[in-house]
Amino acid sequence: EADIYQTPRYLVIGTGKKITLECSQTMGHDKMYWYQQDPGMELHLIHYSYGVNSTEKGDLSSESTVSRIRTEHFPLTLESARPSHTSQYLCASSVGRGPGGYTFGSGTRLTVV
Amino acid sequence: LAKTTQPISMDSYEGQEVNITCSHNNIATNDYITWYQQFPSQGPRFIIQGYKTKVTNEVASLFIPADRKSSTLSLPRVSLSDTAVYYCLVGDYKLSFGAGTTVTVRA
Repeated sequence: EADIYQTPRYLVIGTGKKITLECSQTMGHDKMYWYQQDPGMELHLIHYSYGVNSTEKGDLSSESTVSRIRTEHFPLTLESARPSHTSQYLCASSVGRGPGGYTFGSGTRLTVV
Repeated sequence: LAKTTQPISMDSYEGQEVNITCSHNNIATNDYITWYQQFPSQGPRFIIQGYKTKVTNEVASLFIPADRKSSTLSLPRVSLSDTAVYYCLVGDYKLSFGAGTTVTVRA
């Protein structure tokens, strides 16, 4: 019943390749986020968006970039993958101020070899 | 953004009630308190949210005192499947999840 979708679920890719992690939501949420999480560790906010054409970097510096051309779509791109990018990437969306909370996708587990 | 403090870990047994207290001394007037649950290799899942007093749903209860500087998540009669990391968050956007509380339920 997920309303936020991430693809691929798992990705193994070679060093130097360009990759795009997809995230789409059907709830009409204005705000969307990308978090990075290593196994057993904290979630770190790496990108967020307040709405179409609005993107900003989060608390954790990341070499990835994002775009928000449509409300429902918030892809994350790595121009040249490196082993240090190996991690789980979680996309989320929220209504913004007031009650409601975040809705997370199932995540993409990225392994760069 | 309000900072939260919660225990790193808690152990329990099946059928017991688990209470996790979170401190948020600098909570803002319009901040909501939200708790999430995360299983390994999955995204966090919304459990419950409240502003003041007590909130209850089919999964948990949330107790918030009048000063709102802390909150307690109560999980009634836990089972093995409740073993997870539980996060307490204050605010409504650009949330920092912190380390959360690892709850381990044993048979």
